[in-house]
Amino acid sequence: DAGVIQSPRHEVTEMGQEVTLRCKPISGHNSLFWYRQTMMRGLELLIYFNNNVPIDDSGMPEDRFSAKMPNASFSTLKIQPSEPRDSAVYFCASSFSGSSSYEQYFGPGTRLTVT
Amino acid sequence: AQSVAQPEDQVNVAEGNPLTVKCTYSVSGNPYLFWYVQYPNRGLQFLLKYITGDNLVKGSYGFEAEFNKSQTSFHLKKPSALVSDSALYFCAVRDIPSTDYKLSFGAGTTVTVRA
Repeated sequence: DAGVIQSPRHEVTEMGQEVTLRCKPISGHNSLFWYRQTMMRGLELLIYFNNNVPIDDSGMPEDRFSAKMPNASFSTLKIQPSEPRDSAVYFCASSFSGSSSYEQYFGPGTRLTVT
Repeated sequence: AQSVAQPEDQVNVAEGNPLTVKCTYSVSGNPYLFWYVQYPNRGLQFLLKYITGDNLVKGSYGFEAEFNKSQTSFHLKKPSALVSDSALYFCAVRDIPSTDYKLSFGAGTTVTVRA
């Protein structure tokens, strides 16, 4: 299995620009999670989907952030407009909610720098 | 509500010595417990899990963890640490009766193994 795939791996953009992060979960997994990791705040859950439906978006910082999952094999996290404080590593993770244990498998992350 | 605490921000050990990373949890029912490791510039990697059964679970890279219900703990251990074990370690929990699919992660413990 290829594992969770994220693109791009690195993104540098200017304040005010739109940023789109992409994720392909492990085939057969039906839950998908977006996390943000910073030195100050650690690992934060932003939003998660089950069977392509958003279940909990309470971690999304503000309206500038949005996420979609149009099908079982693709999800996007969009920031518009981006701000320097959005600089972080964004991880996507997937799991199979039909199992008894729910362990999540993480992608390599996208390192976002907003200047 | 489910939560975990990792009381130590950093653990430093000499190579060849035993390594212990502490984790305590809080749940309303019974827990599913997980350990993840993050190497620099990488995503989180699943190490091991406790679901039910034997309180001592074995995982990848020679790690093991002991579930202690009375102390609500799930400490990660390795009998003989290697320099390559230097990384950031996360404990995570899921409350079994919960219909939620998400895991709650601790703040992480940085392990440094010196040669």
